[in-house]
Amino acid sequence: ETGVTQSPTHLIKTRGQQVTLRCSSQSGHNTVSWYQQALGQGPQFIFQYYREEENGRGNFPPRFSGLQFPNYSSELNVNALELDDSALYLCDISLGIYNEQFFGPGTRLTVL
Amino acid sequence: KQEVTQIPAALSVPEGENLVLNCSFTDSAIYNLQWFRQDPGKGLTSLLLIQSSQREQTSGRLNASLDKSSGRSTLYIAASQPGDSATYLCAVTERNSWGKLQFGAGTQVVVTP
Repeated sequence: ETGVTQSPTHLIKTRGQQVTLRCSSQSGHNTVSWYQQALGQGPQFIFQYYREEENGRGNFPPRFSGLQFPNYSSELNVNALELDDSALYLCDISLGIYNEQFFGPGTRLTVL
Repeated sequence: KQEVTQIPAALSVPEGENLVLNCSFTDSAIYNLQWFRQDPGKGLTSLLLIQSSQREQTSGRLNASLDKSSGRSTLYIAASQPGDSATYLCAVTERNSWGKLQFGAGTQVVVTP
């Protein structure tokens, strides 16, 4: 049991606002990645943190930023929200890079 | 650029039939391939992980094969049940990619009683 939790479950924002999404897991899972999943599509990689540092980034603009804390919890911040940011945001943890990965339940973000 | 394709996009079968889900990828330089299950509006549950050096993995009624040279993986679910209804996604991890997953769009499965 990896115990990946995400908060909040659902969120409604308006265009131009800022949002912070959170992910937490058991100690020892030192790698966290964030994905965006639009309706009917597969998840798209946003970025990855390994031991509190950004380790890789997908094709997302700088207004998508993140943090990983010493207790391995993580935040995804999105500034200047756009309508197309409406999606399910998933965090994914693993014990090191290239190991089996475990996803949280996701945060459903709606931008009006 | 790696592209992952899943066909068909949707599938409906009667209970008891075997399910066959296909996944293809364009670049064979992968580290591993993983199959996930996703229930509507929920996160992903890992089903099977196949390392690039393996040909198949099995867990209960699930069996996944990997043919890296042809860029294909197949997920077999034996004796399907209504509880198997979900979307199934495959994802590859490429070498030198920080372990990021490249997903297909998924196959939506409905098992009718």
